[in-house]
Amino acid sequence: EVQLLESGGDLVQPGGSLRLSCAASGFIFSTYVMNWVRQAPGKGLEWVSGISSNGGGTDYADSVKGRFTISRDNSKNTLYLQMNSLRAEDTAIYYCAKGIFGKYDSWGQGTLVTVSS
Amino acid sequence: QSALTQPRSVSGSPGQSVTISCTGTYSDVGGYNYVSWYQQLPGKAPKLMIYDVSGRPSGVPDRFSGSKSGNTASLTISGLQAEDEADYYCCSYAGSFVVFGGGTKLTVL
Repeated sequence: EVQLLESGGDLVQPGGSLRLSCAASGFIFSTYVMNWVRQAPGKGLEWVSGISSNGGGTDYADSVKGRFTISRDNSKNTLYLQMNSLRAEDTAIYYCAKGIFGKYDSWGQGTLVTVSS
Repeated sequence: QSALTQPRSVSGSPGQSVTISCTGTYSDVGGYNYVSWYQQLPGKAPKLMIYDVSGRPSGVPDRFSGSKSGNTASLTISGLQAEDEADYYCCSYAGSFVVFGGGTKLTVL
């Protein structure tokens, strides 16, 4: 059974940093593209970033480009999202999702990031 | 990276059919056959219901179907059931990124 478990969400001040993790199990992690998708409170879904299976290719939404960095450690079956220069509008539940081209067949339960002073 | 356009809400009675539209541009919906649909129940993670315009993952009832014409994709739910009441999101690949629709709340009357 595929399992994705996010962690690292917290309350952080504007301008601060946070690193999210997503521990994967139940599938061959190193062979799949992985993504981060977020959902602001009461709002819709927003794709944030994606990373190729070997970590050599990354893509970002314009809203986070230059501030967020996606990475992965295939030896630890873990996906990461380093978030810097956080803004109030980054407040959201952050989900990790397995898949490519918008076909995300497995999602974690999400971790809440709150940016507020 | 503009969001795809979905109606904010749709409704139908049990047993009826409803269709949710998702309008994009030639750069996303119209340019790729990579449209997906997600169902999200309150407080839960999204669930993949349709992929690659009309593909259906194992376990998704065949009451759910997808299609696309030009820059507009559609999700049709036939034989509505109370358990279908949820938020639905469309999603399209757009080259170097992915874009979601704003979401549609389905109410089963």
